[in-house]
Amino acid sequence: GDSVTQMEGPVTLSEEAFLTINCTYTATGYPSLFWYVQYPGEGLQLLLKATKADDKGSNKGFEATYRKETTSFHLEKGSVQVSDSAVYFCALADYNQGGKLIFGQGTELSVKP
Amino acid sequence: GAVVSQHPSRVICKSGTSVKIECRSLDFQATTMFWYRQFPKQSLMLMATSNEGSKATYEQGVEKDKFLINHASLTLSTLTVTSAHPEDSSFYICSARGGRGLDYGYTFGSGTRLTVV
Repeated sequence: GDSVTQMEGPVTLSEEAFLTINCTYTATGYPSLFWYVQYPGEGLQLLLKATKADDKGSNKGFEATYRKETTSFHLEKGSVQVSDSAVYFCALADYNQGGKLIFGQGTELSVKP
Repeated sequence: GAVVSQHPSRVICKSGTSVKIECRSLDFQATTMFWYRQFPKQSLMLMATSNEGSKATYEQGVEKDKFLINHASLTLSTLTVTSAHPEDSSFYICSARGGRGLDYGYTFGSGTRLTVV
């Protein structure tokens, strides 16, 4: 079945450092790909998404490119802030299979001042 | 933007009792609702998918008699944890979609922290 694999955390960075969180997926169809962020004790917020190959999703300085050839959707940010500390989830949705979201295991990011 | 309201945010119940969690779409009609369970420091595990007016589809390994899902209207879905036990303690999150195509995003509730004592 479809699956998502993320790099393990926690990831600890200093403020203004460059961030990369790796995400790869396995899917039989042509899924849409998402990054969600979860702050402590809260639900999930959509960070960005891409619906087809070579699309780049971007929001709040974060970006990720849908790479079909490497089945990847890595999250990047050029300069992280303390307020970016959260858990980040990569996910896919295959609308031909009911549209359910399948999540990676999550990567905890901690940014120190 | 689309908003999903989930209540309660926290609940503590005694072992053997039942707990109901509500999920409401406030400004759109939720064609499909998804219910997830999240253990500490872990990912979201999909429990079931429900479409308005029809029975929920449960994921493998999820007890349908224990986790009752009702999606009676286009704006309300409920998850009832029946005869709760300490191992049911978890963070439950709902998600709603207004349609089935690419244009319809997923909106998440803020989650319910269930503690069974």
